[in-house]
Amino acid sequence: EPEVTQTPSHQVTQMGQEVILRCVPISNHLYFYWYRQILGQKVEFLVSFYNNEISEKSEIFDDQFSVERPDGSNFTLKIRSTKLEDSAMYFCASNPFTEAFFGQGTRLTVV
Amino acid sequence: RKEVEQDPGPFNVPEGATVAFNCTYSNSASQSFFWYRQDCRKEPKLLMSVYSSGNEDGRFTAQLNRASQYISLLIRDSKLSDSATYLCVVNMGSGGGADGLTFGKGTHLIIQP
Repeated sequence: EPEVTQTPSHQVTQMGQEVILRCVPISNHLYFYWYRQILGQKVEFLVSFYNNEISEKSEIFDDQFSVERPDGSNFTLKIRSTKLEDSAMYFCASNPFTEAFFGQGTRLTVV
Repeated sequence: RKEVEQDPGPFNVPEGATVAFNCTYSNSASQSFFWYRQDCRKEPKLLMSVYSSGNEDGRFTAQLNRASQYISLLIRDSKLSDSATYLCVVNMGSGGGADGLTFGKGTHLIIQP
């Protein structure tokens, strides 16, 4: 069964450093997303991406964040200068039209 | 503000029992509704979409009440493996894939042997 894959599964970074989280969405899906979940809290929408551009973003997705689809398969989330409060599980998801399927997540720890 | 509200639980029920969860959503224009389950420290997994006419998938039944803006999930003959957090999820946009999903905080279910 096709699935969304994310790498790395866990990343530890120092405050102020840049991180890039990587995702390979399901190949025939059209919409891609990033969500985050701070430990013990709800899943929060960050950004959606369609046709090689951002279609929607939340207030969380400020200038420190960017997304890219550098080739036909990868979808990345970059955080330019990490803060302690960026520590969370980051989930990538993809969607053929209405139902989103999530990757296993990257646990980001900012120290 | 776009919100999805759920009773956080935990719901402790014996194996074999029937359990029901409700959730309410704030945006009356919402078009798409889902239940996901999330195991501890894992990704959300789609359990079922929720349709206006209601829908059933095995032991699971989902209902949508647009007038009251609530969604329900019924689990019959509960199994130990049903223990998880159940997430009520709403697309508060036009319902297409470009919109982000709004998640409730989840209802924690514990099935006891």
